[in-house]
Amino acid sequence: DTAVSQTPKYLVTQMGNDKSIKCEQNLGHDTMYWYKQDSKKFLKIMFSYNNKELIINETVPNRFSPKSPDKAHLNLHINSLELGDSAVYFCASSPGTAGHGYTFGSGTRLTVV
Amino acid sequence: TQLLEQSPQFLSIQEGENLTVYCNSSSVFSSLQWYRQEPGEGPVLLVTVVTGGEVKKLKRLTFQFGDARKDSSLHITAAQPGDTGLYLCARPGLSNTGKLIFGQGTTLQVKP
Repeated sequence: DTAVSQTPKYLVTQMGNDKSIKCEQNLGHDTMYWYKQDSKKFLKIMFSYNNKELIINETVPNRFSPKSPDKAHLNLHINSLELGDSAVYFCASSPGTAGHGYTFGSGTRLTVV
Repeated sequence: TQLLEQSPQFLSIQEGENLTVYCNSSSVFSSLQWYRQEPGEGPVLLVTVVTGGEVKKLKRLTFQFGDARKDSSLHITAAQPGDTGLYLCARPGLSNTGKLIFGQGTTLQVKP
């Protein structure tokens, strides 16, 4: 059983398109995150949800819209994709918000052409 | 600043050698986590250190938290090709949101 699963693994799309990435965790964790890893492997937080409530929105363009239908799922929808959106996007979860370690998904490599 | 600086950025060594990776900050942090990321995968948590001066061992990996809780190190003894990967340190953000701030990583290559 995969603890944090995200789909798709690879996504190649044209500029201007809209795409979604899905994430599910079966760990019973309360908190889920989206991180972006750039070409230099730097990981930066985008969003955090705790029990379906948004608690972090880290100055991400409003073309990115997260949605958490329940605490086990956190999806990311991206409108009007731009070349600069190309990166690896990671979903992660943690038991709570008190500095716990994360369990990461295996990532979605998004390439905008 | 909450930034974490890791050094070295890249390390290429032969199997059997020892190495140390450093993670430093100018500010005190409550805890520090180390992750290893292999190509095409997400980071995997190796250890969390909480107490100043704490030392934790995970097989051939030894993690140390500085006495002043501003720095940490990861020492690998007798490195093996399976140790190859990106090593990341991370600290909690200032607010209790679960946010982690990551260092820029150390890419380790162990040649057979």
